[in-house]
Amino acid sequence: EAQVTQNPRYLITVTGKKLTVTCSQNMNHEYMSWYRQDPGLGLRQIYYSMNVEVTDKGDVPEGYKVSRKEKRNFPLILESPSPNQTSLYFCASSSGSAGGSQNIQYFGAGTRLSVL
Amino acid sequence: SQKIEQNSEALNIQEGKTATLTCNYTNYSPAYLQWYRQDPGRGPVFLLLIRENEKEKRKERLKVTFDTTLKQSLFHITASQPADSATYLCALDISGGYNKLIFGAGTRLAVHP
Repeated sequence: EAQVTQNPRYLITVTGKKLTVTCSQNMNHEYMSWYRQDPGLGLRQIYYSMNVEVTDKGDVPEGYKVSRKEKRNFPLILESPSPNQTSLYFCASSSGSAGGSQNIQYFGAGTRLSVL
Repeated sequence: SQKIEQNSEALNIQEGKTATLTCNYTNYSPAYLQWYRQDPGRGPVFLLLIRENEKEKRKERLKVTFDTTLKQSLFHITASQPADSATYLCALDISGGYNKLIFGAGTRLAVHP
């Protein structure tokens, strides 16, 4: 089954304690993205990756890091989490390239993060 | 900066009626626009994509229109059912088709029996 898998689904942590949210896709997609979703603000892109070792900032990258060492994995790293990073996070993948159906985003189930 | 707006108030309709959701945008000429469905506790799921040169797209009970002059897309669900209750998000391409999307905050639809 084609899917994007995020772990963990729920996470409660304290300010300053480094954490990693994993994301893996089995569709051989080139593009992967991380979004955060906050009430009234919609999905905002944090970082995206166009292929292995190629990443770029999205709209709200501050306080986050990513890496793309393998095509299927795109972990999100919070080096020193703060309470304003409490949010619902989604990983997504797509097959990329210009136009057409390739730009459809496939989302994971989400990770609900609380930073105390 | 780009701005995309969806009605933040929930839309309540009776089963069997047509639901119409609106997505308005400013400051950009997107190559395409997408609509997604999101259920509570789940990630968004793609429904339809419409390109800038297409006026209308249909899929079963779903219909999307795209008016680039008005900078507006309308999303219709005909013969609505309680199972259609969800939040619907529109997403705008702002990179000429290179995977850079901005999302609206979504409109929650509730279909009552």
